[in-house]
Amino acid sequence: SQTIHQWPATLVQPVGSPLSLECTVEGTSNPNLYWYRQAAGRGLQLLFYSVGIGQISSEVPQNLSASRPQDRQFILSSKKLLLSDSGFYLCAWSDVPGGRTEAFFGQGTRLTVV
Amino acid sequence: AQSVTQLGSHVSVSEGALVLLRCNYSSSVPPYLFWYVQYPNQGLQLLLKYTSAATLVKGINGFEAEFKKSETSFHLTKPSAHMSDAAEYFCAVSDGGFQKLVFGTGTRLLVSP
Repeated sequence: SQTIHQWPATLVQPVGSPLSLECTVEGTSNPNLYWYRQAAGRGLQLLFYSVGIGQISSEVPQNLSASRPQDRQFILSSKKLLLSDSGFYLCAWSDVPGGRTEAFFGQGTRLTVV
Repeated sequence: AQSVTQLGSHVSVSEGALVLLRCNYSSSVPPYLFWYVQYPNQGLQLLLKYTSAATLVKGINGFEAEFKKSETSFHLTKPSAHMSDAAEYFCAVSDGGFQKLVFGTGTRLLVSP
């Protein structure tokens, strides 16, 4: 069966520090991968999605970037964190592009920028 | 472009009462619709999905939702609330093509004894 791993679970980082969140999927090949951010009371905002290695689409221009160095690995990064980057970050995958099937979510990373 | 509106950021019910969480969507093509549940500090779990088959969709944990095209709605219901149902619920829509899932802002369900 397929599983998705996301780490760390919680992270407290100072303003201006770098960020690296990692997500890996097991049990499937060529998944479609997504990074979402969830801010309190604001639902889920899609940040990036990827349909293959090295293929990244950005939904919202901001202080973050994403990379997909391997088929089942998706990394969210920042060179310098801002206070506004605080939130709950969720990685997800689907076996079909877009919304024809459901997305499966990781457990999330709670990021607090101080 | 698709969009989703969830009416009510918080819904409170008593244990054993009917649960009704509202979702209205906007889509220029027949939509794909989903309900997810999120427990505190966890990811989202799929409750049920509508993909143009039966309009009444049954999901996990006794939840169901009915697709009503004329009302552009996909409300989530459960006949009898349980304490363990307390969580945040998200409705999502897609046009089924290579478009992202668009999520609503969520409804927090509170269940009192």
